[in-house]
Amino acid sequence: NAGVMQNPRHLVRRRGQEARLRCSPMKGHSHVYWYRQLPEEGLKFMVYLQKENIIDESGMPKERFSAEFPKEGPSILRIQQVVRGDSAAYFCASSPVGQGDTIYFGEGSWLTVV
Amino acid sequence: AQKITQTQPGMFVQEKEAVTLDCTYDTSDQSYGLFWYKQPSSGEMIFLIYQGSYDEQNATEGRYSLNFQKARKSANLVISASQLGDSAMYFCAMRETGANNLFFGTGTRLTVIP
Repeated sequence: NAGVMQNPRHLVRRRGQEARLRCSPMKGHSHVYWYRQLPEEGLKFMVYLQKENIIDESGMPKERFSAEFPKEGPSILRIQQVVRGDSAAYFCASSPVGQGDTIYFGEGSWLTVV
Repeated sequence: AQKITQTQPGMFVQEKEAVTLDCTYDTSDQSYGLFWYKQPSSGEMIFLIYQGSYDEQNATEGRYSLNFQKARKSANLVISASQLGDSAMYFCAMRETGANNLFFGTGTRLTVIP
């Protein structure tokens, strides 16, 4: 759904650099989710945030990955010291409430690590 | 055990014909939700249809319907009158009660033949 805005759509980083992916949820949505899709695979949950709070980060790698959703501005997924294995599509989704049937995804951000 | 299983890596259908994409799920929860998403070659994830476990009627959205068989734990997607634009990857997903995330299957690549 075009209402969830992600940028950049495509990002190329050299090994060791930092990648920052941004997500603005749909209007009226206060819950944000990040998922990762490796080539030829389904999406895997990473983290669930509300404004200024990380609610569930059970899918986040223990090192180098962090996420935030500040009071003002988009949610940010940050990957430090990227490695080739971080190359993937990163999708953001949003919903108006934490449970329910309305979960819309952005168009994804494709990270390529060279 | 996989929570979502999509056994058809690829499917072909003739234009204007109907096609069924299989999805089985595994949960011990009584309350859960089932989702189908379409991912065209451009990469975005498009929400198609939702079925709640307590919904007595099968969900329908235009040409999409969900054949929900609770006892068999299956939630197959039926696309009627296939169009060339339906060629895409299709993902089945489930959210369990109290869970913050969706579990995705590995997807089915549908090709519509003119």
